[in-house]
Amino acid sequence: RKEVEQDPGPFNVPEGATVAFNCTYSNSASQSFFWYRQDCRKEPKLLMSVYSSGNEDGRFTAQLNRASQYISLLIRDSKLSDSATYLCVVGNNNNDMRFGAGTRLTVKP
Amino acid sequence: EAQVTQNPRYLITVTGKKLTVTCSQNMNHEYMSWYRQDPGLGLRQIYYSMNVEVTDKGDVPEGYKVSRKEKRNFPLILESPSPNQTSLYFCASSLSIGPTEAFFGQGTRLTVV
Repeated sequence: RKEVEQDPGPFNVPEGATVAFNCTYSNSASQSFFWYRQDCRKEPKLLMSVYSSGNEDGRFTAQLNRASQYISLLIRDSKLSDSATYLCVVGNNNNDMRFGAGTRLTVKP
Repeated sequence: EAQVTQNPRYLITVTGKKLTVTCSQNMNHEYMSWYRQDPGLGLRQIYYSMNVEVTDKGDVPEGYKVSRKEKRNFPLILESPSPNQTSLYFCASSLSIGPTEAFFGQGTRLTVV
């Protein structure tokens, strides 16, 4: 079983739609949680950190459920520019970061 | 501008011909690492370094070497490349150990024929 699992998609949604991505992780001792965005053939870039209390950044909301070992990312009012692959990242001790394989999103006009 | 720079961006080579991919960061970060990204597998860590002269194996170190003689540089060395090392490689750096943002280089697409 992979340490970080994501639905690979692809998710194809119209502009303006709300879309949610889920991620599960297997190491209960994991300490830090992130969502990264990766555009086609580019490097991953931090989208947002994920906190136990949940956090929001504009149209993006991230949630963490430690009991269920589950992380989510909600994107509201999708834009064409949101088309990318979203990587769930879980940090263990010593900055050991584990990446999910990514969920691909395509937003269509 | 704060950045992680990898070179080359693209490389096609033949089996067995030694190559080095360079990585340099200008943010004075202590922690650097190398990943490879393959379809359906996500990013897998090859090697990491917590500081100068301190390196350790990640999940897929076989066939690779690294060195960290200076804080800013962390080259990845393939002594005898094989076709199964064809992949997209990323170097990353972060300020220290612990939950901090990782900054990635632009990637090196390597093809071994």
